[in-house]
This record gives sequence, C-alpha cells and structure tokens, in this order.
Amino acid sequence: TQLLEQSPQFLSIQEGENLTVYCNSSSVFSSLQWYRQEPGEGPVLLVTVVTGGEVKKLKRLTFQFGDARKDSSLHITAAQTGDTGLYLCAGTNFGNEKLTFGTGTRLTIIP
Amino acid sequence: DAGVIQSPRHEVTEMGQEVTLRCKPISGHNSLFWYRQTMMRGLELLIYFNNNVPIDDSGMPEDRFSAKMPNASFSTLKIQPSEPRDSAVYFCASGEGRLTEQFFGPGTRLTVL
Repeated sequence: TQLLEQSPQFLSIQEGENLTVYCNSSSVFSSLQWYRQEPGEGPVLLVTVVTGGEVKKLKRLTFQFGDARKDSSLHITAAQTGDTGLYLCAGTNFGNEKLTFGTGTRLTIIP
Repeated sequence: DAGVIQSPRHEVTEMGQEVTLRCKPISGHNSLFWYRQTMMRGLELLIYFNNNVPIDDSGMPEDRFSAKMPNASFSTLKIQPSEPRDSAVYFCASGEGRLTEQFFGPGTRLTVL
C-alpha cells in the first residue's frame, strides 16, 4: 500500500509569515495534486505537478515535485487568514486515475 | 453547472438500519469516486466507476457496503446494516479521467448511533 505522509500535521502561524508543508512517500508517483479543504466542504484542487523537479507558482503559493517523484512541498508566502484550511496532497500511479490522499496538514492563520 | 450534488447532507440513524447516500456527478464527467473521511484515517477511496462500470472497489470496507451507478448521472452508496464505526463524512467526486481534477461534492455527514 502506498502511503503519503504529510508534515506537520497541524500548523498555526501569524498572518504575514511564510510556511512550508511537506508530502513524503517511499513510493514513486506519476503525478501529484494538492487540494485545500475548508470546513463543511469537499477538497478543491489547487495544482497538479507531473514532472520530477517541477515547480509551479499560484500567486503566493509555490509547489514543488521532488526529482525522484516521491515527495512534494507547498510553500506559502505572506500567509493570509483565507489560507486557513486542510491541505491534502494526493498521488496517482501510471495508467491509473485512482488518487491516494495524504494524511493532511491542518493550517490555521491567526490574524 | 451546479457541481457535484450529494444527498442527504446529514444523516443520523441507529445501528442496524440501512443507509443510502446519493450522488449526481457533473454532467459530462465519465469517472465517479466515493470517499470516506474520518479524523483517524483521513480521506479514503472506497470505490470508483468509469463510464458507469466499477473499476476498483478494493477500498470498500466489507460486504455491508455496496455501490451502484445505474446511469451516467446517478450513483448510490448503501450501507446495510450500518454500525457506529461507519460514522464519517462520505464524499462523492467526479472527473473527466486520468490526470484531471476531481470535483468533490459537499459530502454527507453520517452518524450511526
């Protein structure tokens, strides 16, 4: 069974600070997605990375896929209260559309 | 588009009762996924369909769980009989295939007493 471990599990920081959350596995994935989930709602896709070493930027969010396609990171610059939520990484395998979700990082931004 | 629609949004039932959760995927999407989310186990895939055909049901916990997709616009997840350990939020998601975004519904919060 492929596992995706996310760290930290919980993170609480002040508005305006920077942060990085991590998604690690011992398995190789063909692509990796990051989702954000707010209370009472389903996860919403933020980004998909498909190439080892790929870096994608989405405004203040920077996503990186590890060279070996086993890990990923999400960096947020100048965090805002609207960034609060549960961040989930999810990996796919070659030839398969099934997603394996990570354990999640619950982020709270304090005003 | 209204997005993925799930009903009911909340369900409270007693142990032993049958529970049926419903999902209407986004029109035109050919893949449908059922997930369960708990604090202890996170978000787990239960089963997924492609073009109304079940492709992988390895995540279905046991025979008490069953899922159907009689047509492209409707799917059900049934638990019979329900147990307290089935309490969770159940999500339905749809997508257009491999490497594409999965669009999640708002979920059904199930409580089995």
